[in-house]
Amino acid sequence: KQEVTQIPAALSVPEGENLVLNCSFTDSAIYNLQWFRQDPGKGLTSLLLIQSSQREQTSGRLNASLDKSSGRSTLYIAASQPGDSATYLCAAGGVNNNDMRFGAGTRLTVKP
Amino acid sequence: NAGVTQTPKFQVLKTGQSMTLQCAQDMNHEYMSWYRQDPGMGLRLIHYSVGAGITDQGEVPNGYNVSRSTTEDFPLRLLSAAPSQTSVYFCASSYWAGSNEKLFFGSGTQLSVL
Repeated sequence: KQEVTQIPAALSVPEGENLVLNCSFTDSAIYNLQWFRQDPGKGLTSLLLIQSSQREQTSGRLNASLDKSSGRSTLYIAASQPGDSATYLCAAGGVNNNDMRFGAGTRLTVKP
Repeated sequence: NAGVTQTPKFQVLKTGQSMTLQCAQDMNHEYMSWYRQDPGMGLRLIHYSVGAGITDQGEVPNGYNVSRSTTEDFPLRLLSAAPSQTSVYFCASSYWAGSNEKLFFGSGTQLSVL
């Protein structure tokens, strides 16, 4: 059974800092790895999806990498802003969406 | 665009009561699903549907029922609520079930069972 872990559970950084969020998974036979953002009282919004054949994906100040062999993915956020404050969740995907397994998330606070 | 709409946003139940959480999407998505989110845990899949008339169990289906009579609606029923069902519930949909299809989430229902 796929287990997804995100450490740390919470992170606080000053504005402008570059930061890395970590995600690890136990079964390397994944189809993709997704990163989501969750704001308080809201649902999840998909940020980046990395296919199993890819090493990384970029969107603006966000860069996600995937290393299947080591069971790890990272989300790099450049020049953090207070508006980046949210919970970031990763999910390891199987063949179908019902195979997706989520981590518990990292709650990020960016202080002005 | 409404996207995925969940009602109610908050609900308090007494043990043993029943209720239905509503989920509707206006994107003509074939795949719909229900998750629960508990503190310190990732989202866990309760039930899912790959089209009208077709449903299946997810990781934690006990205590919940679903049906899918239309493409748009996918209600989640709690027949006899228990304190262990206190959680935040999310409905999500995608165009079809393949894992590369983007999932769209509703804003959630916070349920407390006393």
